[in-house]
This record gives sequence, structure tokens and C-alpha cells, in this order.
Amino acid sequence: DQQVKQNSPSLSVQEGRISILNCDYTNSMFDYFLWYKKYPAEGPTFLISISSIKDKNEDGRFTVFLNKSAKHLSLHIVPSQPGDSAVYFCAASGEYGNKLVFGAGTILRVKS
Amino acid sequence: EPEVTQTPSHQVTQMGQEVILRCVPISNHLYFYWYRQILGQKVEFLVSFYNNEISEKSEIFDDQFSVERPDGSNFTLKIRSTKLEDSAMYFCASSVLGSNYGYTFGSGTRLTVV
Repeated sequence: DQQVKQNSPSLSVQEGRISILNCDYTNSMFDYFLWYKKYPAEGPTFLISISSIKDKNEDGRFTVFLNKSAKHLSLHIVPSQPGDSAVYFCAASGEYGNKLVFGAGTILRVKS
Repeated sequence: EPEVTQTPSHQVTQMGQEVILRCVPISNHLYFYWYRQILGQKVEFLVSFYNNEISEKSEIFDDQFSVERPDGSNFTLKIRSTKLEDSAMYFCASSVLGSNYGYTFGSGTRLTVV
């Protein structure tokens, strides 16, 4: 089941620069997309979401962009900080209250 | 900040034994979920629970699995006869209004079946 794909297993970025994490999906029925951050030995932490009726949502240093025609979304972190180093999961939901389908995750390392 | 609490943090059990993983969701949340992550693999949906019944379950959630909300605060996942392949991190999550607003996950229970 590869409905949500994160093709980059890892990303390394210098502190202060932009981090861009990418996610592709195949299921046209998804209508909400979410990003989660996970530290070792902790559960995933919700970061930001976007509805399929929007193409951008911003929350502080985090912005998610959605390109429905390309079935692609991205998470931008500006400026990146060492504390942002974690695994980032893209997830998608098809219905209110329904399950989340997760991507495999991207390990982000922010170097100081 | 409100938390989802999971106990135990680590459970070792022998193959064929029953295990119960426990979760205390956030008190005003209405939707409850179990997910698991086998080492090196994706986080996978197991089951969602709303209004005291299962609202959706995955293919993984077979007859060996069951969930219960026995007392209005706890939310449990029972595996009746554990198999080696059940070894994974099990995450409980809860949500006020459903997945679109983001779940709050617990820190997980690492289940090791030997």
C-alpha cells in the first residue's frame, strides 16, 4: 500500500536555511493532509494540516503547500533550527474522523 | 498541555500469551485510535473507536485484536494470542473532532514478543 509516499529518506540542512520536505499521494479521495514530527521514543506530534480546498497553510515557521493536480504536498520550515531535527511524517485522511494513512517518513537533520 | 498516556512503555511477552495495552486519552476527546509501527516500517492504522464502537478497522486488526473502553477513561487494546510479528510500537491517539484536526498521540508501548 503506497498511497502516501515520501521518497526522500533523509534531508540535511544548515541552521537558518529552509527545509523542504516532500510528499506524494495517489488516492484522489484524500481531502486532508497532515504533517507530523516524531522524536525517538515519543509518539508523533501534529504540526500542521491542509484541506484539499486550499493550496497553502501557514503556521509560524511552518508552511504546507498542496498541489492537487500533481498530487503533491510539501512542508517548508523557515528558518530551520537544530531542534527541528526529527522524523517528519506526511499523512492523509479521506473522511472526517477516519484513519490516517502515513508516509514512510523523512529524517531531517539541521546542522548548527 | 493535555496528554495521551500509555502504559506500559515496554512489554515483553511470550508468543501465544495475551497482552493488554492501556491508554488514557485526553478527557474531552471523542475519537480514539490505535496505530502500530513495526521497526523500520510505516506507522499503520489498526482501529478507530467512536461512540463506544469500532468505526473502522484495518486488515491487520483481525480476530486476535479487540478494543474496549471499559470505564469511560481508559481505552485498551488486547491481543489474545501474540505472535512474533506483533512485535512493534503501539501508539494510542485521540482527537476531539476526527483526524482532520490532528490527533494527539501517546508515547507508545513497545511490545516485544519472544
